[in-house]
This record gives sequence, C-alpha cells and structure tokens, in this order.
Amino acid sequence: TQLLEQSPQFLSIQEGENLTVYCNSSSVFSSLQWYRQEPGEGPVLLVTVVTGGEVKKLKRLTFQFGDARKDSSLHITAAQPGDTGLYLCAGAGRGAGGTSYGKLTFGQGTILTVHP
Amino acid sequence: DTGVSQNPRHKITKRGQNVTFRCDPISEHNRLYWYRQTLGQGPEFLTYFQNEAQLEKSRLLSDRFSAERPKGSFSTLEIQRTEQGDSAMYLCASSSSGGPRTDTQYFGPGTRLTVL
Repeated sequence: TQLLEQSPQFLSIQEGENLTVYCNSSSVFSSLQWYRQEPGEGPVLLVTVVTGGEVKKLKRLTFQFGDARKDSSLHITAAQPGDTGLYLCAGAGRGAGGTSYGKLTFGQGTILTVHP
Repeated sequence: DTGVSQNPRHKITKRGQNVTFRCDPISEHNRLYWYRQTLGQGPEFLTYFQNEAQLEKSRLLSDRFSAERPKGSFSTLEIQRTEQGDSAMYLCASSSSGGPRTDTQYFGPGTRLTVL
C-alpha cells in the first residue's frame, strides 16, 4: 500500500510570508500532482511532475520532485490572501515498464490561511 | 473542452434509500476514476475504468456500491441502502492513458451526499 505523508496539516501566515509544504513517501511514484481545492469544489490541478529532480515554477509557486521520485515540495513565495485553500499532493503508482497506473494516492492535505 | 461534469452537485437522502450519481469525463479521455472525500481528508480511491472495462476496485467499495461505464463515455456510481457513513463528497476524475504526464487526472466539482 502506497502512503503519502503531507505536512504541515495547517498553516496560518501573514501576507508576504514564504511557506513550504512537504509530501513524503517510502514508495516510488511515476508522477506526482499538486492540486488546490476550495470548500465544496473538486481539486483543481496546479502541476504534474514526472522526472526525478524536476523543478517547475508557476508564478510564485515552485514545485520540486525528489531525485528518487518518493517526495515532493511546494514552495510559495510572498503568499497572498488569494492563496488560501486546501493544497493536496497525489502520487500515481507505477505499472509495467514504469508507466503510470490508475489510482492516485493522496496526502492528507494542507489547509493554508493567508491573513491580509 | 468543457471539463469533467458531475450531477447532481448535492444529494440529500434518507438512510436505506438508493442513490445514483453521474460523471461525464473530458471527451477525449479514456480513463475515468471515482474517489470519495470526507471532511478534513484527502480523496480516497474507489474504482477506475479504462474505456468500458473496470480495472480496479478498492476495498472501500462494499457490495452496496456499483459503478458502470457502459459505452466508455459517462459513468454512474450507485449506492444501495445508503448508510449515514456514506455521507461524503464523491469525486470523479478523467485522464488519458498515454503516459505519466498525459495520465494527469482532472477532477469534476463533486457530488456532496448527505444521508439523514
């Protein structure tokens, strides 16, 4: 059974601060996705990382996939109140030949609150 | 591309009743997934289809749950004899099976089920 441990579970910060969210596992994933979810809505995709060591930037958000493809981090620079929400990491398992396989395993989520 | 749609968005039912939810995936996607999410948790995998074939079912999917995707397009999830513990957000996602990057899952808005 693949598990993803996400931390911290809660983050409450002031506007302009930086923050990092971590996802760790003992399993190797073929890819890892980060989603953001608003109350009462489905998760919205932020990024997919596939290659070990991959770094992707999306404006003030920087995503990194660990070299061994077992962990990932999300760093937000100069957080804004509009960044408030639930952030989820999710790993896709590996099928034959290293291809992606079916279900996503989600972390528990990080509830981020950015105060003006 | 209109995204993944789910109907209804909200369902309130009495314990013991049957309910059915529908998911329409992104049109060119051949994979379709169902997840369940309870408050404060990340989504948990229930089942997934590649075209018409149901390829995996979670142990969470008891005998009261059944999912179909008869023509490889839309899917339905039925819960028979609902219990209060079934109250949750039911999420549908779709993806293409081309590889780790194209297998990124896109989620619908979810169906919130409340069992009284």
